[in-house]
Amino acid sequence: QLQLQESGPGLVKPSETLSLTCIVSGASISNTNYYWGWIRQPPGKELEWIGTIYYSGSTHYNPSLKSRLTMSLDTSQNQFSLQLSSVTAADTAVYYCARHISDPEYFNWFDPWGQGTLVTVSS
Amino acid sequence: DIVMTQSPDSLAVSLGERATINCKSSQSILYSSNNKKYLAWYQQKPGQPPQLLISWASTRKSGVPDRFSGSGSGTDFTLTISSLQAEDVAVYYCQQFYFSPYTFGQGTKLEIK
Repeated sequence: QLQLQESGPGLVKPSETLSLTCIVSGASISNTNYYWGWIRQPPGKELEWIGTIYYSGSTHYNPSLKSRLTMSLDTSQNQFSLQLSSVTAADTAVYYCARHISDPEYFNWFDPWGQGTLVTVSS
Repeated sequence: DIVMTQSPDSLAVSLGERATINCKSSQSILYSSNNKKYLAWYQQKPGQPPQLLISWASTRKSGVPDRFSGSGSGTDFTLTISSLQAEDVAVYYCQQFYFSPYTFGQGTKLEIK
């Protein structure tokens, strides 16, 4: 059964870089049928898609975050990562990783999701 | 960006009664060449991550009870729970995957009356 688990610091200082890792179990992130995504939810706000990465390393980012965002993967550890630079309080959110279901033409829905991890940006 | 607007923001329904949640997209998410509606519904129970309920606007994920159903046109969609059970208390989200960036509704909180 595919499971995902986020890990990383729960507190990041303003202007620094937020780094999170998603550990995947039950499937290989090198599976050519799978894409891997990040979604976040600021307190009291709606869910926001952050970006998606493929086993080849190709990425698809939300334009609103693209200038600050880097996603990567480590096939040897079966995990993928998120780095968001120059963070502000507006980046405080619960961050989720998920499998991003896709077909040959479109990215589709997210299933399953990790449990999520709260990251607070504060000095 | 495509804006997804859900209504109502919260809803209280008696056990065994019908619950209806609406989701409206700011532009059509019906792809005319395949007649598919690029919409998913998720359920988020307290302390848990969102879980996929329905894809393509009306296709239940395997294992989802058949009291959950989805319907809709190009811009207006509905999630219906035909007979509310106590375990259905959750926040429900719609998501469009027609156009990047993939966007979600603000959520509808469903409670027991």
